[in-house]
Amino acid sequence: GAGVSQTPSNKVTEKGKYVELRCDPISGHTALYWYRQSLGQGPEFLIYFQGTGAADDSGLPNDRFFAVRPEGSVSTLKIQRTERGDSAVYLCASSLVPEETQYFGPGTRLLVL
Amino acid sequence: AQSVSQHNHHVILSEAASLELGCNYSYGGTVNLFWYVQYPGQHLQLLLKYFSGDPLVKGIKGFEAEFIKSKFSFNLRKPSVQWSDTAEYFCAVNANRDDKIIFGKGTRLHILP
Repeated sequence: GAGVSQTPSNKVTEKGKYVELRCDPISGHTALYWYRQSLGQGPEFLIYFQGTGAADDSGLPNDRFFAVRPEGSVSTLKIQRTERGDSAVYLCASSLVPEETQYFGPGTRLLVL
Repeated sequence: AQSVSQHNHHVILSEAASLELGCNYSYGGTVNLFWYVQYPGQHLQLLLKYFSGDPLVKGIKGFEAEFIKSKFSFNLRKPSVQWSDTAEYFCAVNANRDDKIIFGKGTRLHILP
């Protein structure tokens, strides 16, 4: 596809469960970013990949959050032992190279009951 | 730490009115500046960006923004708004050579037909 895609579009889970959120960046984009947007807030940076490696994970809120990008394309954000406060829209973005414009996907809306 | 302030959380205008949305950032070094827009039911899209050069930047759909370094501002303007401009607008900044984008909290713009 032409843009960044994210699956699922919506995810409802129970407190304490494990979830995985997937991001397919634009083909050929080397840089991939995860952001989280809570209600009434702007997107908040979580982690950035350059290729397969996490170049900056300073935005991950705690060790329940983890992300991978094993082949330098698709990325998965993993959240263990989900809490109600994790409810938010999780956004993925990609750019051709790190200094270039980031293009955002539609997001995954996560609701933890 | 970098931060972005958007002064107006909710703006209501009539069609054909002029628009100016305020944005100030805090960072002492070289920055890249962005305005992103999110139309109802759609994902974040880049409206315009400033990396260097002419501080008056023109974007899509008749929007423009002016970077005033001395005021740490990057206000968004449009001389005559349309009903289709109803959306949420986010100002954002990333420090030169940094990877993450810092977003403001957003301004909800509602245009009355």
